[in-house]
Amino acid sequence: SQQGEEDPQALSIQEGENATMNCSYKTSINNLQWYRQNSGRGLVHLILIRSNEREKHSGRLRVTLDTSKKSSSLLITASRAADTASYFCATDARSNYQLIWGAGTKLIIKP
Amino acid sequence: DGGITQSPKYLFRKEGQNVTLSCEQNLNHDAMYWYRQDPGQGLRLIYYSQIVNDFQKGDIAEGYSVSREKKESFPLTVTSAQKNPTAFYLCASSLGSQETQYFGPGTRLLVL
Repeated sequence: SQQGEEDPQALSIQEGENATMNCSYKTSINNLQWYRQNSGRGLVHLILIRSNEREKHSGRLRVTLDTSKKSSSLLITASRAADTASYFCATDARSNYQLIWGAGTKLIIKP
Repeated sequence: DGGITQSPKYLFRKEGQNVTLSCEQNLNHDAMYWYRQDPGQGLRLIYYSQIVNDFQKGDIAEGYSVSREKKESFPLTVTSAQKNPTAFYLCASSLGSQETQYFGPGTRLLVL
């Protein structure tokens, strides 16, 4: 079963609105990461939040982590057409030094 | 410029043929990874290497092989044993295990 699972699977909003996507995981983690993938391209790292952090900001991105609920959320404020992409969370829960990836949220920003 | 490169961008494989995907990084990273991505899906780990001359199988290693003779290079061979190779292949590297991963642009493999 997947460690990280994003919700929703797809999200379509108007430009200028805020977009929120969630990631849930099953076992304890040291850190959780969010990545963006534009269609047909490689992934780009957005933000890493450690288990002792509750919230982190980077520009228009805000990530929260609730270790008691084993969940994280990514908020993109004032969305732009360029934010159209798939967003993935990845956790480090395994002992064999791998990251575990969710299936992603596909975000579409309508002009 | 520092980064990670993959070639070719598109690759066509005939039945029964082995093909090799290239991955090179100049970030001085110890760890390198190969992932497979099917349409609309997440990443599945094929192989990873934490150090030169060492690599481990990921979740879907059957039908694939790798080598890590140099720190900068981690080529992936898709063998004829891989019966469903059509996918998008992503290479990544990181300074250490479970740290931020930096991805190449990907290679799309198609079967003729």
